[in-house]
Amino acid sequence: EVQLVESGGGLVQPGRSLKLSCAASGFTYSNYIMSWVRQAPRKGLEWVACITTGGGNTYYRDSVKGRFTISRDDAKNTLYLQIDSLKSEDTATYYCTKGYFDFWGPGTMVTVSS
Amino acid sequence: EIVLTQSPTTIAASPGEKVTITCRASSSVSYMYWYQQRSGASPKLWIYDTSKLTSGVPIRFSGSGSGASYSLTINTMETEDAATYYCQQWTSTPWTFGGGTKLELK
Repeated sequence: EVQLVESGGGLVQPGRSLKLSCAASGFTYSNYIMSWVRQAPRKGLEWVACITTGGGNTYYRDSVKGRFTISRDDAKNTLYLQIDSLKSEDTATYYCTKGYFDFWGPGTMVTVSS
Repeated sequence: EIVLTQSPTTIAASPGEKVTITCRASSSVSYMYWYQQRSGASPKLWIYDTSKLTSGVPIRFSGSGSGASYSLTINTMETEDAATYYCQQWTSTPWTFGGGTKLELK
């Protein structure tokens, strides 16, 4: 059974950093591109970042370039999202997704507030 | 950036009623993808490659379209179909989603 479990969210002050994790199981993790998608409270879905197999390539939406870093550890079947210089507009539930968004984790909530 | 515009934003349907949600892209896309998100849950891939149903999706659902115009249709509305549906494109980065269509039970 495919499972994605995000962790690392919480209440953070503007300007601080946070690192999200996503533990994957039930599939051959190293064979899949992985992404983060976020959803602000009562809003729609927004793709944030993607990493290809082997971590060879990473892609980001413009609004997070330079502040977000996606990475993966295939030995640990874990996906990461480092978020620096947090802004209030980063407040959202962050979902880890497998492949071409064919499976989603339950999400982890990030709230940026002083 | 390809902008996806869904309509309607909200729709209420009675059991047995036919429902159609449309998604228009600001430029042509190769395929359209649809996700269902029930209240309080994470999204699920519902339809891929424009018209293929994910395993377990009832056959009352269908997807169609080409170019810049796509649709998701529910042949006969059922209670469990109440959810928000999002379209999404993989044609060019940033990969974008539509704003969502909230389908409510009348």
